[in-house]
Amino acid sequence: DVKVTQSSRYLVKRTGEKVFLECVQDMDHENMFWYRQDPGLGLRLIYFSYDVKMKEKGDIPEGYSVSREKKERFSLILESASTNQTSMYLCASSLVGTETQYFGPGTRLLVL
Amino acid sequence: EDQVTQSPEALRLQEGESSSLNCSYTVSGLRGLFWYRQDPGKGPEFLFTLYSAGEEKEKERLKATLTKKESFLHITAPKPEDSATYLCALTSGSARQLTFGSGTQLTVLP
Repeated sequence: DVKVTQSSRYLVKRTGEKVFLECVQDMDHENMFWYRQDPGLGLRLIYFSYDVKMKEKGDIPEGYSVSREKKERFSLILESASTNQTSMYLCASSLVGTETQYFGPGTRLLVL
Repeated sequence: EDQVTQSPEALRLQEGESSSLNCSYTVSGLRGLFWYRQDPGKGPEFLFTLYSAGEEKEKERLKATLTKKESFLHITAPKPEDSATYLCALTSGSARQLTFGSGTQLTVLP
């Protein structure tokens, strides 16, 4: 079974803090994705990566950056957290040549 | 721009009362249509992928179908444990990222 894990289920941070969200997948998938999910807005793509050290902007990249130093790990970085980044963050991965994405359990982030 | 619209937003059924959820889309060059189930506070769980009009897939009480303009998720004799939000998503053209609909929140009452 595909397993995607996220480092934290819940996080509480202060405005201005630098926040790291970690995602690890164990299926040797090339593609990895970060989404945020908000009531009424659905899932929106922040960044994605097709390979190690590669990254591409999604629909809402402002205020975020990413890092992919190893194939199995994709990190989302909030350089200076703001209250409007309070959200559920979801990581996903997929195998090259397929589009089926498998999701992690999510990290619920609260920025005070 | 690709668009995915799901209806209804919410659906309440009695246990055993069959129904269908709708996912209509506008896209140039559909590559795949995906259905996910999401329980509260959890990540989406993959259910089905459909690639071409006329295709159908089944899993337990769920059956997904695809036409050129929409997809249906049919739920036969649902049970309370089928209660969840069902998400539809698609990929198109050369893009590998999913475009999601806003979901249908299904509640099955015992």
